[in-house]
Amino acid sequence: QKEVEQDPGPLSVPEGAIVSLNCTYSNSAFQYFMWYRQYSRKGPELLMYTYSSGNKEDGRFTAQVDKSSKYISLFIRDSQPSDSATYLCAMDTGANSKLTFGKGITLSVRP
Amino acid sequence: KAGVTQTPRYLIKTRGQQVTLSCSPISGHRSVSWYQQTPGQGLQFLFEYFSETQRNKGNFPGRFSGRQFSNSRSEMNVSTLELGDSALYLCASRPESGYNQPQHFGDGTRLSIL
Repeated sequence: QKEVEQDPGPLSVPEGAIVSLNCTYSNSAFQYFMWYRQYSRKGPELLMYTYSSGNKEDGRFTAQVDKSSKYISLFIRDSQPSDSATYLCAMDTGANSKLTFGKGITLSVRP
Repeated sequence: KAGVTQTPRYLIKTRGQQVTLSCSPISGHRSVSWYQQTPGQGLQFLFEYFSETQRNKGNFPGRFSGRQFSNSRSEMNVSTLELGDSALYLCASRPESGYNQPQHFGDGTRLSIL
């Protein structure tokens, strides 16, 4: 079983839709949770960084962490064509620098 | 503030050669980590350097090595290149010695092995 599982894609939605991206994990030592966005031919860009269970909102993005269920989500409201990218969940234990990533999901927002 | 800078952006090598990749972290960041990204395995941690010392290491063979200089710039070296080393190599930096800070990535070096 992989430490981090991410919903497979690709995912295609119309502009304005609410998008839900999800990851589950098996390692209860994970303490920090991140979502990165990666455009083609670019490096991962940090979108959200959370520590505790609960919700964190930043503009159109909301990150949700449920440590009891070992489940994290990223919600994108009013999705735009510019949101079309690969989204990666990542997590670490806080004990070293090793980030463990999900495989990523490619999102396409249709105008 | 300039982001993480990686050079070169693209590189083509043949099997058996060696290669050196360079990474300049965000100004003031002292920790530099390296990752390999492939379609099959996704992003995998190679190693981390802090204060010119390798602090953490992933599960890669000894052909993969790195170093960090006093100005926090880092280099990664791969010797005896294999076809399977074709990948996007990403460098990430974080501000301090503690691990409760997010990592910020550069745009990577795309390495192709012929």
